[in-house]
Amino acid sequence: GQNIDQPTEMTATEGAIVQINCTYQTSGFNGLFWYQQHAGEAPTFLSYNVLDGLEEKGRFSSFLSRSKGYSYLLLKELQMKDSASYLCAVKGGYQKVTFGIGTKLQVIP
Amino acid sequence: SAVISQKPSRDICQRGTSLTIQCQVDSQVTMMFWYRQQPGQSLTLIATANQGSEATYESGFVIDKFPISRPNLTFSTLTVSNMSPEDSSIYLCSVGGEGSEQYFGPGTRLTVT
Repeated sequence: GQNIDQPTEMTATEGAIVQINCTYQTSGFNGLFWYQQHAGEAPTFLSYNVLDGLEEKGRFSSFLSRSKGYSYLLLKELQMKDSASYLCAVKGGYQKVTFGIGTKLQVIP
Repeated sequence: SAVISQKPSRDICQRGTSLTIQCQVDSQVTMMFWYRQQPGQSLTLIATANQGSEATYESGFVIDKFPISRPNLTFSTLTVSNMSPEDSSIYLCSVGGEGSEQYFGPGTRLTVT
């Protein structure tokens, strides 16, 4: 089975940097996703890591360490519109994706 | 990328009735997934639907409650049967491919009264 842990809530200041951590224990691993979800909307794809290291995409970066079962999402130059839930998800066998509880990020002025 | 549409986008249903949700993809895909997101919760996988075979259900979900059809490679339906207020959720269709592709439909917001 899959077990995915991430903080339930975080607060950060506009313009700052925030790091959202995710740890996982899985029976199979074929990659890790980060999604952004605004209230009442479907999740939006942010990143996908399958190899160790840092993937940078604009203001968002995602890091993976497979040996440690650990990932983080880094958001730079925070904007008010970044207030959302951030979902960590692991792709296991048969392309099945399992989601963590999600981290609700509040960006304050 | 895949473009996914769902019908209906939202519905309010009475207890004891059933609702069928449709998912249409603009390209042929092997595997389609149905997720549920209850209020304030993350996404939970209900089942995996492959064309030409019965759906595979996750623990806690059964075919009698959530029958699924997959008649071809671009379409699937999920039925929520004998609904109760606990079934009030957003239901999302998702398709996955090789590598990083994993797309979600816009969701169907169901309220059971």
